[in-house]
Amino acid sequence: DAGVIQSPRHEVTEMGQEVTLRCKPISGHDYLFWYRQTMMRGLELLIYFNNNVPIDDSGMPEDRFSAKMPNASFSTLKIQPSEPRDSAVYFCASSYRGNTEAFFGQGTRLTVV
Amino acid sequence: KQEVTQIPAALSVPEGENLVLNCSFTDSAIYNLQWFRQDPGKGLTSLLLIQSSQREQTSGRLNASLDKSSGRSTLYIAASQPGDSATYLCAVIGGWGNDMRFGAGTRLTVKP
Repeated sequence: DAGVIQSPRHEVTEMGQEVTLRCKPISGHDYLFWYRQTMMRGLELLIYFNNNVPIDDSGMPEDRFSAKMPNASFSTLKIQPSEPRDSAVYFCASSYRGNTEAFFGQGTRLTVV
Repeated sequence: KQEVTQIPAALSVPEGENLVLNCSFTDSAIYNLQWFRQDPGKGLTSLLLIQSSQREQTSGRLNASLDKSSGRSTLYIAASQPGDSATYLCAVIGGWGNDMRFGAGTRLTVKP
């Protein structure tokens, strides 16, 4: 397996634009996590899914953020409209049964200007 | 809500030294604990996973221990090398919903 794959690796967008981040988990993994990493706040759990169903989205900062998982091999994190304070590295991770080793993607570095 | 704390925040040691990184968590009802390494500008690489029923795990020069009752884990690095320089993060997987929460990390520098 190629591991967790995220795209794009880098995204620069203007304030107010819609941004969509993508994640392909490891095949067979049934848990998927979205994190945001900043210098000030470290790694924050935004939302996680089990079998494509959102389990806990209490970490999603605002209604501008939304996440979907239409099938077991694909998830998106959307920010609409984007703001400069959303600039961060966004990571996706997956695991099997939620309590085994988790693997991370390389992240998407988002810059909102 | 689970709180995870890592101390020290930063550590600088000479090459060859043995060192210990600490991780503490507030809720002992966990499934397991995982240690990661992150190099600057990179993603997270899994180092060790300790199941809640285990007391320690070893991989090469790394040894991680877990004491659930006291809410502590340590990562021991033997004979440190400059290539070990990175940020080390611990993550706790909760027993209540399988969410995975991280400490702020320890930034390690090993000087040649």
